[in-house]
Amino acid sequence: DSGVTQTPKHLITATGQRVTLRCSPRSGDLSVYWYQQSLDQGLQFLIQYYNGEERAKGNILERFSAQQFPDLHSELNLSSLELGDSALYFCASSVSTVNTGELFFGEGSRLTVL
Amino acid sequence: GDSVTQMEGPVTLSEEAFLTINCTYTATGYPSLFWYVQYPGEGLQLLLKATKADDKGSNKGFEATYRKETTSFHLEKGSVQVSDSAVYFCALYNRDDKIIFGKGTRLHILP
Repeated sequence: DSGVTQTPKHLITATGQRVTLRCSPRSGDLSVYWYQQSLDQGLQFLIQYYNGEERAKGNILERFSAQQFPDLHSELNLSSLELGDSALYFCASSVSTVNTGELFFGEGSRLTVL
Repeated sequence: GDSVTQMEGPVTLSEEAFLTINCTYTATGYPSLFWYVQYPGEGLQLLLKATKADDKGSNKGFEATYRKETTSFHLEKGSVQVSDSAVYFCALYNRDDKIIFGKGTRLHILP
């Protein structure tokens, strides 16, 4: 158990809909990262937050947004969903920056868009 | 931009065989390098890391040496077990707080 909690574990929805994925980092971790894992694209970095502020941005679509709340949990919002958004979405946390050497990953939220 | 390339899988080996999973990277400067492992149904977890040239990371019988001259960080294990079956990701951290992952290599170990 990494200490990172993601909900829901599985989600099935239709095209055009909006979903919210939630992540609770390990106790004491200030940074939260979101990744998308799909079969053809591997693991893609989406966005990072540190202590409530956006720190780094990767290949995140404009239809997607995220935020980190004062209690340090984070939410990833996916809107106007398309079939290609079906993937496993991982959240990871670390104490400060990844330069400490280790990210702690949750078990992921599997999104299926029909 | 920075990138990581690792050998495509799946890789299938018999138990006790020698394992090598190749990983090369492209980056400016001196990145830190990592191997992460993803067991079935789980998230990724750090397997080993190296932060400078010629460093060797090791854990659970796995090893990888940071080779700046060949921009490589190949993962090796002398005798694999069925429990090593997983997906292995090579990754680098350079600047701007992003960690770049390779596409992953699925490893199957046959008893």
